[in-house]
Amino acid sequence: ETGVTQTPRHLVMGMTNKKSLKCEQHLGHNAMYWYKQSAKKPLELMFVYNFKEQTENNSVPSRFSPECPNSSHLFLHLHTLQPEDSALYLCASSYDEGLPGGYTFGSGTRLTVV
Amino acid sequence: GENVEQHPSTLSVQEGDSAVIKCTYSDSASNYFPWYKQELGKRPQLIIDIRSNVGEKKDQRIAVTLNKTAKHFSLHITETQPEDSAVYFCAAVDTNYGGSQGNLIFGKGTKLSVKP
Repeated sequence: ETGVTQTPRHLVMGMTNKKSLKCEQHLGHNAMYWYKQSAKKPLELMFVYNFKEQTENNSVPSRFSPECPNSSHLFLHLHTLQPEDSALYLCASSYDEGLPGGYTFGSGTRLTVV
Repeated sequence: GENVEQHPSTLSVQEGDSAVIKCTYSDSASNYFPWYKQELGKRPQLIIDIRSNVGEKKDQRIAVTLNKTAKHFSLHITETQPEDSAVYFCAAVDTNYGGSQGNLIFGKGTKLSVKP
C-alpha cells in the first residue's frame, strides 16, 4: 500500500442503486482528488478538495456527489448512474503547499454499472 | 485550461533498446511535469518529475527533458527491460486552478511493450 486506500476495489451496481466509494490517506496530505479512468481515455479530473474545501468540479454530472469530511477522507456518492459511467475511479492525494508535487494514487475502484 | 498531448499511443521496442515518449502542453505558465507508470491492474506511480527551472533530470535509466519555449517534454528510458512494459502517463499543471498546487492534467498514455 502506498498510503492511499480505496474501498471497495470492485463494485457492480444497477442504474437505480445508491453506493459510495471511499478513499483514505494518512500521508499528511491536504489535497485530495477524484479521477476517472476509462478505456482509451486519459485520466479525467473530476473533483478537487483542498483542506476539506471543494475547489474544483470539472463539469461532472450531479449523479456523482463528492464529500470530504476531513483532510484524510474522501467519498464519492453515486446514484442513478449510467452504463457509460463504468470505469476505474482513482483517488489521489498530495501536498498543496508551495511548489506542486506528485500525486499518490490509490488502487482504484473498478465500477461496473449494469 | 491546460491541454496535454502525448505520443505515441503505443510503442514496442526490443529489450536493451531505448524508448522515447513525448508530450506537449498548452499552459505556458505550467511549472511542474511528472511522469507516471501504470502497470496492468495497478495504480499509477510517479517515476520521475521535472520542474520548469531545469531542462533535464536523470534517475538511473530514466531521464526527462523539458523545452519550455516549445512547450514540450519527453521521457527517455535507456536499456529497456521487460519490466518496463506498462502504460506511461505524462502530466502538466493547470495553473488556471486557484490553489497553489494546481491540478494535474494527464496525457492519454503510452502503452510501452518491451520484447525480450
